Amino acid sequence: DGGITQSPKYLFRKEGQNVTLSCEQNLNHDAMYWYRQDPGQGLRLIYYSQIVNDFQKGDIAEGYSVSREKKESFPLTVTSAQKNPTAFYLCASGNRIPNTEAFFGQGTRLTVV
Amino acid sequence: GEDVEQSLFLSVREGDSSVINCTYTDSSSTYLYWYKQEPGAGLQLLTYIFSNMDMKQDQRLTVLLNKKDKHLSLRIADTQTGDSAIYFCADGGGADGLTFGKGTHLIIQP
Repeated sequence: DGGITQSPKYLFRKEGQNVTLSCEQNLNHDAMYWYRQDPGQGLRLIYYSQIVNDFQKGDIAEGYSVSREKKESFPLTVTSAQKNPTAFYLCASGNRIPNTEAFFGQGTRLTVV
Repeated sequence: GEDVEQSLFLSVREGDSSVINCTYTDSSSTYLYWYKQEPGAGLQLLTYIFSNMDMKQDQRLTVLLNKKDKHLSLRIADTQTGDSAIYFCADGGGADGLTFGKGTHLIIQP
């Protein structure tokens, strides 16, 4: 079935460690996005990529890094520089502008212990 | 910058209609969207409306768009307990994808 898959669903990280969240899509979408969701904050854009081997910073990119080596994959690394990483992370994909809609994964809940 | 505003909470009785409102600032948006998020899950697209339309109906869902006032609403007829969720309004058309509101928590009273 076509869709967008995030893994793992739950992730625990010790302070000072980097962790990588996986996002894979088989919808043949050019564009992929990472959002962070905190209670009462809605969705905030971390990074986005409109095409393979290219990506742009969103509104809250500090402490995060991404790569887009393949069309299907857009992994997000939460680095030790991110001071408050505990959050729900959502990956989405869609067609390039003019966008029609974004398809979301089921999310990864990251907790720093 | 672009902004999308929604009320944070809406409480309705089961069987009544729910109306969730949204205002946006980006007048160049080609499409406007409504997404639904259930607890611990991703966002699911409910419906969308093209910016040159003023109404779209899809079963229990009715979307109204007032482009002059930049106001979008989602009406859910005969609200059921399964409609309890967070509803996000979003506008789009830019290179950085969609801009989301903070979401409206729909609470269903028995």
